[in-house]
Amino acid sequence: SQQGEEDPQALSIQEGENATMNCSYKTSINNLQWYRQNSGRGLVHLILIRSNEREKHSGRLRVTLDTSKKSSSLLITASRAADTASYFCATSTGGGNKLTFGTGTQLKVEL
Amino acid sequence: EAGVVQSPRYKIIEKKQPVAFWCNPISGHNTLYWYRQNLGQGPELLIRYENEEAVDDSQLPKDRFSAERLKGVDSTLKIQPAELGDSAVYLCASTPMGPLNTEAFFGQGTRLTVV
Repeated sequence: SQQGEEDPQALSIQEGENATMNCSYKTSINNLQWYRQNSGRGLVHLILIRSNEREKHSGRLRVTLDTSKKSSSLLITASRAADTASYFCATSTGGGNKLTFGTGTQLKVEL
Repeated sequence: EAGVVQSPRYKIIEKKQPVAFWCNPISGHNTLYWYRQNLGQGPELLIRYENEEAVDDSQLPKDRFSAERLKGVDSTLKIQPAELGDSAVYLCASTPMGPLNTEAFFGQGTRLTVV
């Protein structure tokens, strides 16, 4: 079962524009993580935000977390064609490190 | 350092045949995950190991799927017999046990096609 729902399901933008993806989840979490997946490849970790954090930055990535609304957003600034990929949020729950993934957003950055 | 290694990368089998996937996690990573990813969907957890113990296998279809992690290192996921609906990418991931706030490292996956 999927813990997270992401929107939009697909997003197409021009190079240089910003891309925003949203993730909603259902239960209390330890942390929320974002991953990228290029076509036919494995998932690559982008950023992790803990449940007691509200915002985090890493390079061109900005993640926010609102635990009261059980939602998170990922902002990619100044997008590049190489950012074209699927992006997934994943929540860590429970006493162990159980990771449950959302449905994903397909991002296409056009030249 | 090598990442998570999975084999084979691709597998095509006829329905009702058995198939097995192998995963070698990052050295020192105690937690190992098997996920199944259908086309256009997010990964769905099949089973999670902490060392050699399966701590979460609630999503594993136990009538045809089995997994083992002998000695708490590498792991094998088996399907017997395979069905057409099992066509998917099977992903293995690992994390160090203990700290909750750690990222997961994924292998490249095995793409299974059942015909």
